[in-house]
Amino acid sequence: AQSVTQLDSQVPVFEEAPVELRCNYSSSVSVYLFWYVQYPNQGLQLLLKYLSGSTLVKGINGFEAEFNKSQTSFHLRKPSVHISDTAEYFCAVSDLNEAQKLVFGQGTRLTINP
Amino acid sequence: DGGITQSPKYLFRKEGQNVTLSCEQNLNHDAMYWYRQDPGQGLRLIYYSQIVNDFQKGDIAEGYSVSREKKESFPLTVTSAQKNPTAFYLCASGGRGPQTQYFGPGTRLLVL
Repeated sequence: AQSVTQLDSQVPVFEEAPVELRCNYSSSVSVYLFWYVQYPNQGLQLLLKYLSGSTLVKGINGFEAEFNKSQTSFHLRKPSVHISDTAEYFCAVSDLNEAQKLVFGQGTRLTINP
Repeated sequence: DGGITQSPKYLFRKEGQNVTLSCEQNLNHDAMYWYRQDPGQGLRLIYYSQIVNDFQKGDIAEGYSVSREKKESFPLTVTSAQKNPTAFYLCASGGRGPQTQYFGPGTRLLVL
């Protein structure tokens, strides 16, 4: 079964600094990868997704992620963060055999300090 | 406006009581999902349905039940058999295959 590991449970950064949130998944022949964001007491919103094609995926709010098949990683990056980026971020994966099921990581809480 | 609605926003359960959480979508999606969210554990899949009148157990289905009588609706019942029901419950919907899942605002269930 698929599993997802988000290596950092909390990431504090200063405003306008770059950030990287790390995500690794268990190996599979073909996977689909997603990053979602959750603001306090709300549902999840899609930031970006990788289904196929270019390994560098751009999403909303200036975020991007790179799919690395050899390292089974899908790290999320933003070159300059804003206070409004404070939220919890979830990496999720589905595979070819069960494409409709998402497996989520434990989440990374991103805190932006002024 | 298209989207997913969940009600109520907060729900209180007494010992031994069954409670039902509502989830409705008007996105014309075939698939619907229920997740449970606990602090530090991410989201865990309870049940999902790919088509009306059909549903499958997820990873933590014990103590829960669902129905899918209409495409738009996928209610979740938390039964008295669920001994630790306090959590944030999220409903989602999506198309078939590796499609984006769209999430509702969630219901927070608390035990009295």
